[in-house]
Amino acid sequence: SQQGEEDPQALSIQEGENATMNCSYKTSINNLQWYRQNSGRGLVHLILIRSNEREKHSGRLRVTLDTSKKSSSLLITASRAADTASYFCATDAWSLRASGYSTLTFGKGTMLLVSP
Amino acid sequence: EAQVTQNPRYLITVTGKKLTVTCSQNMNHEYMSWYRQDPGLGLRQIYYSMNVEVTDKGDVPEGYKVSRKEKRNFPLILESPSPNQTSLYFCASSYGQSNEQYFGPGTRLTVT
Repeated sequence: SQQGEEDPQALSIQEGENATMNCSYKTSINNLQWYRQNSGRGLVHLILIRSNEREKHSGRLRVTLDTSKKSSSLLITASRAADTASYFCATDAWSLRASGYSTLTFGKGTMLLVSP
Repeated sequence: EAQVTQNPRYLITVTGKKLTVTCSQNMNHEYMSWYRQDPGLGLRQIYYSMNVEVTDKGDVPEGYKVSRKEKRNFPLILESPSPNQTSLYFCASSYGQSNEQYFGPGTRLTVT
């Protein structure tokens, strides 16, 4: 399966600390995306990094991609209680089922708890 | 406001009673898809649509049908729901299957 797997499954930190989540995948990808989900709500897109990019920043978010290791990391700096959510990586790769199409496959997520 | 809407948000039904969950987007996106989210299994794609009248199966299509007669709408149909279809369902849309996905608020379905 080309599904990404996040690590750790759960992470608990204090406000102000940095949070790092990792994602590993198995096949070559076109891009990798990170999403956030507040409890029971729809996912919200955070950042997209293409296979030819190594690092990307957006506000307090920093994403790295290492295609040789087939892994990515999401760093949230100076975390806040409002960052409490589940974080998912999603890999976009050419479909094994439908020639000429790519599919986006989500991992199972990392649950982040930021305590005040 | 750019958004994906789903209805209903919550539904409790009985086994075998046909139901439809509607999904609509106002962003003129070509690509739309349905996911189900279950504890410990993450999000799994049910069906997707590249454009009007173009649909294809995702990873878990059994027991579901879809249609794409208009660009903005992508309903999910359960012809004969069963308890194993109890789940949280999300509709999503984007300009292309590789791009940023916009998700709806979710529909929590319980089949008894």
